[in-house]
Amino acid sequence: AQTVTQSQPEMSVQEAETVTLSCTYDTSESDYYLFWYKQPPSRQMILVIRQEAYKQQNATENRFSVNFQKAAKSFSLKISDSQLGDAAMYFCAYLGQTSGSRLTFGEGTQLTVNP
Amino acid sequence: DVKVTQSSRYLVKRTGEKVFLECVQDMDHENMFWYRQDPGLGLRLIYFSYDVKMKEKGDIPEGYSVSREKKERFSLILESASTNQTSMYLCASSLVFWGALKYFGPGTRLTVT
Repeated sequence: AQTVTQSQPEMSVQEAETVTLSCTYDTSESDYYLFWYKQPPSRQMILVIRQEAYKQQNATENRFSVNFQKAAKSFSLKISDSQLGDAAMYFCAYLGQTSGSRLTFGEGTQLTVNP
Repeated sequence: DVKVTQSSRYLVKRTGEKVFLECVQDMDHENMFWYRQDPGLGLRLIYFSYDVKMKEKGDIPEGYSVSREKKERFSLILESASTNQTSMYLCASSLVFWGALKYFGPGTRLTVT
């Protein structure tokens, strides 16, 4: 079974600084997706970024980028120029080739942005 | 603007009650999902449905059932609520069977006393 681990329950960053959230996963599948989701206090889950395992290039979406290390099974999220609106719970998620749309989520990292 | 709505934001029920959590999507999506969110555990899949009247167990189906009589509506049922079912419940829907979940409801925070 696939597992996703986020070892940082809480992180904080100063506004305008950069922060990196960690995620590791375990799988025996060769084809899969990885995602980062954001859940602000409104509780509305938002898909932030996705990475296909077959792509070597790291995904980027504006201020959000990932560092995908397939051999190490690591998938970290970097937020540049942090803004107050980035404060949220962040979830890493895995979707395997045999999973349908059954995502496996990590435990979550609560990010605080300090003004 | 696409939407997934859930019938209640907050719900308080007593132990032993039958509880219905409703989820409605307006995007004509085939696939719908119920997740449970608990601190330190992330989101865990309870049940999902890939078509009307079709359902599949997720990772933690015990104590729950579901109903999907119409394409747009997916109900989660707690037959006899227990205190360990106090949690946040999130519904999601998807057009494709394999892919990212982009559409989530706002969640129902259920407290069972």
